[in-house]
Amino acid sequence: GAVVSQHPSRVICKSGTSVKIECRSLDFQATTMFWYRQFPKQSLMLMATSNEGSKATYEQGVEKDKFLINHASLTLSTLTVTSAHPEDSSFYICSATHRGRNTEAFFGQGTRLTVV
Amino acid sequence: RKEVEQDPGPFNVPEGATVAFNCTYSNSASQSFFWYRQDCRKEPKLLMSVYSSGNEDGRFTAQLNRASQYISLLIRDSKLSDSATYLCVVNPRGAGKLIFGQGTELSVKP
Repeated sequence: GAVVSQHPSRVICKSGTSVKIECRSLDFQATTMFWYRQFPKQSLMLMATSNEGSKATYEQGVEKDKFLINHASLTLSTLTVTSAHPEDSSFYICSATHRGRNTEAFFGQGTRLTVV
Repeated sequence: RKEVEQDPGPFNVPEGATVAFNCTYSNSASQSFFWYRQDCRKEPKLLMSVYSSGNEDGRFTAQLNRASQYISLLIRDSKLSDSATYLCVVNPRGAGKLIFGQGTELSVKP
């Protein structure tokens, strides 16, 4: 099956710093990648849709200037949490759809961000 | 109204029990439906897709009723290893953008 690799799996950073999370499709071309956030005991909430070569589409209530998304190639999308604050601490997960098979999503392993 | 709503949990059942999860969705034009399983602090993993004709995979049976916009998952002969959170997931426009229900936690006890 298709493999999506997300890095880092865990990060602790100081308040005010920025954190970059990478999402790579290892064995397929991902035309679209999705970024989700999950708070404890809650479900995954879609933050944004990342399309290769174009601007990301953000869901209502998600600040695009705070959560910078770059999808520069068909195998890599990055999410940068800028000026992180403790309330940004969460589990961030990416998923990717396979070109030509876009009803199935493949998930990265997730990144647990803790802002202290 | 949430796009995807699930039974609130948690479900605590003994080994060997049969347990059913229910889910409703609001977008009648939704195209694809899934059940995912998520273990604590891990990414969700696809358990099974859900088809209008109903489908079965071992101890797991999924049903879809488009008219009622209702999805179900039945787990027979529960195992300890079935303990997890089960997520009802809808793909509203067939483009990989998944909408997740809030999840139902299942705990299977010996």
